[in-house]
Amino acid sequence: DTAVSQTPKYLVTQMGNDKSIKCEQNLGHDTMYWYKQDSKKFLKIMFSYNNKELIINETVPNRFSPKSPDKAHLNLHINSLELGDSAVYFCASSQGTGLSYNEQFFGPGTRLTVL
Amino acid sequence: AQKVTQAQTEISVVEKEDVTLDCVYETRDTTYYLFWYKQPPSGELVFLIRRNSFDEQNEISGRYSWNFQKSTSSFNFTITASQVVDSAVYFCALSDSGYSTLTFGKGTMLLVSP
Repeated sequence: DTAVSQTPKYLVTQMGNDKSIKCEQNLGHDTMYWYKQDSKKFLKIMFSYNNKELIINETVPNRFSPKSPDKAHLNLHINSLELGDSAVYFCASSQGTGLSYNEQFFGPGTRLTVL
Repeated sequence: AQKVTQAQTEISVVEKEDVTLDCVYETRDTTYYLFWYKQPPSGELVFLIRRNSFDEQNEISGRYSWNFQKSTSSFNFTITASQVVDSAVYFCALSDSGYSTLTFGKGTMLLVSP
């Protein structure tokens, strides 16, 4: 059974379009994250949700809107896609937050290419 | 603000050589966690190890070993007798107090040739 899954795995689209990436975890975790990995392989946190509440938003443009319909899902919607949005987007989840840190489990990533 | 520096962008070795990947971190917190992740060419992120700031014991897992030194804010990773399958990008990461998000270093690409 896949722990953290993302769909689609690859997404190719034109500039200006709106697209969504879905993430689901079946681990019963409370916290979910979105990370972006750019063309230079640099990984950076975008958002974090705990029990469906947004707790971290790392100065991401408001074209990016995460949505958490329930604890097991954290979707990423991107409006008006730009060339610079091309990257690999990783979803992750962990049992909790704070100092009693629990390992983050990562999804397989979604490679987004904006033409 | 926290920061992770992996000064080695790319390392090339020949199979069976030992290789050490360096990681230096900065944080103002006294409680924090350090991690290593592996990203093979297939692209997924594979968790290797987690260490908390109160546990400076070195750890060995098979051919992998980690050296955590708070005095120099370093958490180095050594692969003994490297193999071609070790070829990947390796990321060091830090999580301090708060919401457990990971701050990653820029990664070190390890190329192991036969």
